[in-house]
Amino acid sequence: QKEVEQDPGPLSVPEGAIVSLNCTYSNSAFQYFMWYRQYSRKGPELLMYTYSSGNKEDGRFTAQVDKSSKYISLFIRDSQPSDSATYLCAMSADQGAQKLVFGQGTRLTINP
Amino acid sequence: DGGITQSPKYLFRKEGQNVTLSCEQNLNHDAMYWYRQDPGQGLRLIYYSQIVNDFQKGDIAEGYSVSREKKESFPLTVTSAQKNPTAFYLCASSTGHPVLAGEDNEQFFGPGTRLTVL
Repeated sequence: QKEVEQDPGPLSVPEGAIVSLNCTYSNSAFQYFMWYRQYSRKGPELLMYTYSSGNKEDGRFTAQVDKSSKYISLFIRDSQPSDSATYLCAMSADQGAQKLVFGQGTRLTINP
Repeated sequence: DGGITQSPKYLFRKEGQNVTLSCEQNLNHDAMYWYRQDPGQGLRLIYYSQIVNDFQKGDIAEGYSVSREKKESFPLTVTSAQKNPTAFYLCASSTGHPVLAGEDNEQFFGPGTRLTVL
């Protein structure tokens, strides 16, 4: 069993829809949770960074962490074609958040 | 502009050859990382370095080697011992400092090198 599980998709939704992306994990020591966005043939870029449980909102994006269920989510509201990318969850247990463990990535397409 | 550069963008290698991938950063970061990305498997850590002249193996270090002689540079050598080297290789850097409350400790990624073995 992988330490971090993420549905690879692909996921295809119409423009304007609410998108929900999820990851589950098995290591209860994880306390730093990240979502990265990766466009085709590019390096990942950080989208959201959350410490411990709770919600964090940034514009159209909301990250949720439920440590009791070992489950994290990323919600995208009013999705746009420019949101089409692969979304990777990542987690770390160390205080420097250096040793990241990544999910497989979910490939998302927003259709105009 | 501050950032991370990787070269070359595309690299072709014959079986049995060693190749070196370049990674340079001008962010004044202490920590640097190498990841490998295969389709459907996300990113896996090959090596990381928290300070000059020091580095540690990640989860899939076999068949790879690194050096960290300068703070700005962290080259990765893919040796002939790596059985399946065809992949997308990503370099990243971060401050490497313990996270303070309310602060992010983001890893910044380069644009990647796509290595193909012929």
